[in-house]
Amino acid sequence: NAGVTQTPKFRVLKTGQSMTLLCAQDMNHEYMYWYRQDPGMGLRLIHYSVGEGTTAKGEVPDGYNVSRLKKQNFLLGLESAAPSQTSVYFCASSYPDRGLFFGQGTRLTVV
Amino acid sequence: AQSVTQPDIHITVSEGASLELRCNYSYGATPYLFWYVQSPGQGLQLLLKYFSGDTLVQGIKGFEAEFKRSQSSFNLRKPSVHWSDAAEYFCAVDPTTQGGSEKLVFGKGTKLTVNP
Repeated sequence: NAGVTQTPKFRVLKTGQSMTLLCAQDMNHEYMYWYRQDPGMGLRLIHYSVGEGTTAKGEVPDGYNVSRLKKQNFLLGLESAAPSQTSVYFCASSYPDRGLFFGQGTRLTVV
Repeated sequence: AQSVTQPDIHITVSEGASLELRCNYSYGATPYLFWYVQSPGQGLQLLLKYFSGDTLVQGIKGFEAEFKRSQSSFNLRKPSVHWSDAAEYFCAVDPTTQGGSEKLVFGKGTKLTVNP
């Protein structure tokens, strides 16, 4: 029973590099989300998806792109990483009215 | 402005003592309310939620929370804390009450330390 799985768990990028974070869920959830967590800031929503083929912007979408080509996967891309994107990234999925199920996070450092 | 406030950044209790973590919100109508827990190096886990009905809700790990409309509060409680409860606790509010979580707003968290 894997739940929500994030890949990779840790990554160090140089400024200007690109990368993709992968989120996979095996609970057949329609909704999926990408959050970032920074000290003293709580969790902030980057992008979300309410179903396969759909995406929408959250609170802090700038510098990120997402895709939901398959229901079970939600990808977060950084086209040109900046030090301000150093953070812990969490993927989550949900049924309506059930609350969020979170992955274990990806710790990203941009140097 | 609409917000979720957890007034205590850090709380320390002794093992076996009771615990209350505070959460206040400022939204016009009664929102959906949640408490999540995050252990070190882990993602968040749902402890309990309130949508409507009985204002005292029971969750996992022996936690409960009480919704008080007059105080716009949703405080989390546990009668006897265990060392394994040391973690960070997040209150979250969905003002839309439409079931999806895209408008979910998290508080900034309360870190709980448990002394032996």
